[in-house]
Amino acid sequence: GESVGLHLPTLSVQEGDNSIINCAYSNSASDYFIWYKQESGKGPQFIIDIRSNMDKRQGQRVTVLLNKTVKHLSLQIAATQPGDSAVYFCAENSNTGKLIFGQGTTLQVKP
Amino acid sequence: DAGVIQSPRHEVTEMGQEVTLRCKPISGHDYLFWYRQTMMRGLELLIYFNNNVPIDDSGMPEDRFSAKMPNASFSTLKIQPSEPRDSAVYFCASSLFDLNIQYFGAGTRLSVL
Repeated sequence: GESVGLHLPTLSVQEGDNSIINCAYSNSASDYFIWYKQESGKGPQFIIDIRSNMDKRQGQRVTVLLNKTVKHLSLQIAATQPGDSAVYFCAENSNTGKLIFGQGTTLQVKP
Repeated sequence: DAGVIQSPRHEVTEMGQEVTLRCKPISGHDYLFWYRQTMMRGLELLIYFNNNVPIDDSGMPEDRFSAKMPNASFSTLKIQPSEPRDSAVYFCASSLFDLNIQYFGAGTRLSVL
């Protein structure tokens, strides 16, 4: 059948709450994972990365968790702010050496 | 540093016309990437260069697309002839030593009528 436009999953949170954005990756051979943030009208911006030999990595207000058993990645944002409103992409680097980006999740922060 | 600079920011053209997108990477970066972003297909890698040499062009959709990097500070992505299905946002990104931590430009929004 004819393909239809994709609608990105959307997470809506209240300002000040914590946000959790999830991502399932496909390649069990991937050994490096990155989260990018894309604000409206801009290019993606690196947020945080994690290697496959780690389960958790923390940055400023952000934490990335990696569960290799179920091939799942999550990005936690503490005390979400209006400036966090954006589309968030997870990306994986498999043994091809190239970054493969996921479809993205839209985060909406309500004041 | 001004970051990755792309031009033009917006391009509207008619089907069959040649389109040239331009990119100036961050000074000193040795990797340069061209991506295409659409709602249907997301963010797709078209081609990337290392030290001005094309390394992987497997993402280039067809022969109508070509990319060059004549020197470390400039790259072009050309579409000839353009088709309506080429309408998308095209991003250029650069990185230093690391394929993964890439710095993106603001993109060129291409509309082919």
